[in-house]
Amino acid sequence: GAVVSQHPSRVICKSGTSVKIECRSLDFQATTMFWYRQFPKQSLMLMATSNEGSKATYEQGVEKDKFLINHASLTLSTLTVTSAHPEDSSFYICSARDDRAHGYTFGSGTRLTVV
Amino acid sequence: AQSVTQLGSHVSVSEGALVLLRCNYSSSVPPYLFWYVQYPNQGLQLLLKYTSAATLVKGINGFEAEFKKSETSFHLTKPSAHMSDAAEYFCAVSDRGSGNTPLVFGKGTRLSVIA
Repeated sequence: GAVVSQHPSRVICKSGTSVKIECRSLDFQATTMFWYRQFPKQSLMLMATSNEGSKATYEQGVEKDKFLINHASLTLSTLTVTSAHPEDSSFYICSARDDRAHGYTFGSGTRLTVV
Repeated sequence: AQSVTQLGSHVSVSEGALVLLRCNYSSSVPPYLFWYVQYPNQGLQLLLKYTSAATLVKGINGFEAEFKKSETSFHLTKPSAHMSDAAEYFCAVSDRGSGNTPLVFGKGTRLSVIA
């Protein structure tokens, strides 16, 4: 089945630094990827939709200058949290649409802790 | 906009008992519907999905769900709970349109299994 590889699984960074999270579709081409954020004991909230070769579409309330999304190829999308602060600490999950199977495949998530 | 409502943020069952997790969707046109399971600090694993074929959908790990248009429901069931079923379960919905459509999640239901 479709596999999405997400790295790193955990990262701890200092306040003010930037962190990049990568998502790769391993056995299919993902024209569209989605980035979600999940707070403890809560559901997934869509942050942005990433389309290969074009600018990402951000949900209302998501700072596009803080959460930079790049989808430069059909198999790779990256989320960069710039100038991270403790309130950015969260669980970030990517997802790719697999059009062959009307399905969505999720990465394993990244636990970001900003200290 | 599509949405799903999961009734009950926490469900507790005894080992061997029936599992029933409720999900209702809001849409005049039958959407695609999904159930995912999430274990702590992990990504989401697809249990099953409804994409307009049979209304009774069988998934992994003995789970199944029935799409009922008249009730706008897609409840998840399993005849006999195992301890390993304890996790967070999310119902999700998407439009039948293009691949740019993201999944929209319910708030989740935490399933506890008591020995």
